[in-house]
Amino acid sequence: QVQLVESGGGVVQPGRSLRLSCAASGFTFSSYALHWVRQAPGKGLEWVIFSDGSDKYYADSVKGRFTISRDTSKNTLYLQMNSLRGEDTAVYYCAKTGGADYAMDVWGQGTTVTVSS
Amino acid sequence: SYVLTQPPSVSVAPGQTARITCGGNNIGSKSVHWYQQKPGQAPVLVVYDDSDRPSGIPERFSGSNSGNTATLTINRVEAGDEADYYCQVWDSSSDHHVFGTGTKVTVL
Repeated sequence: QVQLVESGGGVVQPGRSLRLSCAASGFTFSSYALHWVRQAPGKGLEWVIFSDGSDKYYADSVKGRFTISRDTSKNTLYLQMNSLRGEDTAVYYCAKTGGADYAMDVWGQGTTVTVSS
Repeated sequence: SYVLTQPPSVSVAPGQTARITCGGNNIGSKSVHWYQQKPGQAPVLVVYDDSDRPSGIPERFSGSNSGNTATLTINRVEAGDEADYYCQVWDSSSDHHVFGTGTKVTVL
């Protein structure tokens, strides 16, 4: 079945970097767009990044610090997070979608990132 | 930036109808999607493109969208519907995806 599995979360100091992975299975990875969405403790959902393989869009809060990429040979989506701040502490979800105006129809279980000294 | 406003909470008795609103400037011109999130779980899509339901979502869940307000309606509410609900749109003017502030549905 269609599945997304995130990994790579952990505890990191402010200013450091971390890379998250999202392994996809059960669908043609190269044919679908993907998002990263995060949720700070006790807060609502916040959209972070969208990529359809050619275009990439970033939330203002992460632009210039976070980068999305994908390896189609490994069916894996990545989120490179640099210059991490305390406000980046959250559960990070990857989600599959048909395109920019389409719904996020499949979500991973999330991976937790904690930025703390 | 585009803002979507939801009521923080909605309370409803079992068997009754819950209506969750999502307000945004001319939201009727956009496609609205709704997600259900239970504690400790990832969000689940319950309505897409204003009023369509993914397979596996009960017919009790429906949506509408007009003017400045989109609405998610849950008929014959069950205890298992207790969750946080979020609306979401694509704002083409900013190339940003936007989530609503979220609504906690409590089943009395």
